[in-house]
Amino acid sequence: GNSVTQMEGPVTLSEEAFLTINCTYTATGYPSLFWYVQYPGEGLQLLLKATKADDKGSNKGFEATYRKETTSFHLEKGSVQVSDSAVYFCALSDYSSSASKIIFGSGTRLSIRP
Amino acid sequence: GAGVSQSPSNKVTEKGKDVELRCDPISGHTALYWYRQRLGQGLEFLIYFQGNSAPDKSGLPSDRFSAERTGESVSTLTIQRTQQEDSAVYLCASSFGGRAYEQYFGPGTRLTVT
Repeated sequence: GNSVTQMEGPVTLSEEAFLTINCTYTATGYPSLFWYVQYPGEGLQLLLKATKADDKGSNKGFEATYRKETTSFHLEKGSVQVSDSAVYFCALSDYSSSASKIIFGSGTRLSIRP
Repeated sequence: GAGVSQSPSNKVTEKGKDVELRCDPISGHTALYWYRQRLGQGLEFLIYFQGNSAPDKSGLPSDRFSAERTGESVSTLTIQRTQQEDSAVYLCASSFGGRAYEQYFGPGTRLTVT
């Protein structure tokens, strides 16, 4: 079945460091890929998405490129801030099947030191 | 309302008691989802409602769990004879039609079974 695997946390970085959170997926059909973010005390929010191969999703300085050849969708940011501290979830949704739900990874907790 | 709301925000109950969790989706959203998030873990899909179609109950962990939805509005998740392993945050999300990726999440209900 479809699944998402992302790097385990917690990830702790200093402010202005470069961030990569790895995500790989297994899916039949042609999934759309997403990153969701959960800030402390808040609900999940869609951060960015990509719906086809080679698409790049971007938002708030974060980027992720849909790589079909490596089945990956790694999240990157060039210079992190303390306010980026949150839990990040990689997810997929496959529209070629009857599936109507999003499959989430286990989440990666990111902590940024001032 | 502006977003998905859930009530109560926190619920502490004794083992063996029944609990009801409520979700008010965004007006006009035809799809509604329930997820469970255990401490330090990812989201676990429970159930999905789409319009008047039969709900997708494939994620419900046992027959102690059930959910109802009135038309395209409020949904109630019921857990009967609660167990300690039911302790988790229960998240509700809604989306417009089949655009499953644009799910908007509520703040969740934190359930603690003592």
